[in-house]
Amino acid sequence: DAGVIQSPRHEVTEMGQEVTLRCKPISGHNSLFWYRQTMMRGLELLIYFNNNVPIDDSGMPEDRFSAKMPNASFSTLKIQPSEPRDSAVYFCASSPKREALGGEQYFGPGTRLTVT
Amino acid sequence: AQSVTQLGSHVSVSEGALVLLRCNYSSSVPPYLFWYVQYPNQGLQLLLKYTSAATLVKGINGFEAEFKKSETSFHLTKPSAHMSDAAEYFCAVSERSGNTPLVFGKGTRLSVIA
Repeated sequence: DAGVIQSPRHEVTEMGQEVTLRCKPISGHNSLFWYRQTMMRGLELLIYFNNNVPIDDSGMPEDRFSAKMPNASFSTLKIQPSEPRDSAVYFCASSPKREALGGEQYFGPGTRLTVT
Repeated sequence: AQSVTQLGSHVSVSEGALVLLRCNYSSSVPPYLFWYVQYPNQGLQLLLKYTSAATLVKGINGFEAEFKKSETSFHLTKPSAHMSDAAEYFCAVSERSGNTPLVFGKGTRLSVIA
């Protein structure tokens, strides 16, 4: 199993530019989560999907952030326009059905975003 | 709302010494509890999880944790630290109903001194 795949691993962009982060969950998993990690706030949930449907996006900072999951094998997180305070590591995680394995989540390697 | 408190943002132990990382949770209902480890520039890896079976949970790399409901704690231990254990450790809690997000503690950085 390839695990959760994220791309790009590193992204450096200028303020005002659009940024798109990509995630491929583990095959067969039905839940997908986007988290953000910063020194100040630690790990915080941005949005999550169950069976490709967004369930809770209350963690999305503002309208500049949007996420989609067009099918079970792909999700994107878009920031438009980007700002320096968006600089962070963004993690994608996927989870199988809770009854099977107790709800553990499998994390990708993360995308380190730097907005200058 | 659920929350997790990890006592000590940084713990330093000698190689071969006991490792004890503390985690207390707050939840209105019995939760699922997890410990994850993060090595530099990597994602999070699951060490172990508590899902209401045995209260003493064994994980990978010799780590274990004990769920104590009366103390609302889920401390992580390892009898003998190894240099390769140096990393950031996160305690997390989630609800039991459905596939729900994890709520993480702030993390504890473990340093192992030779």
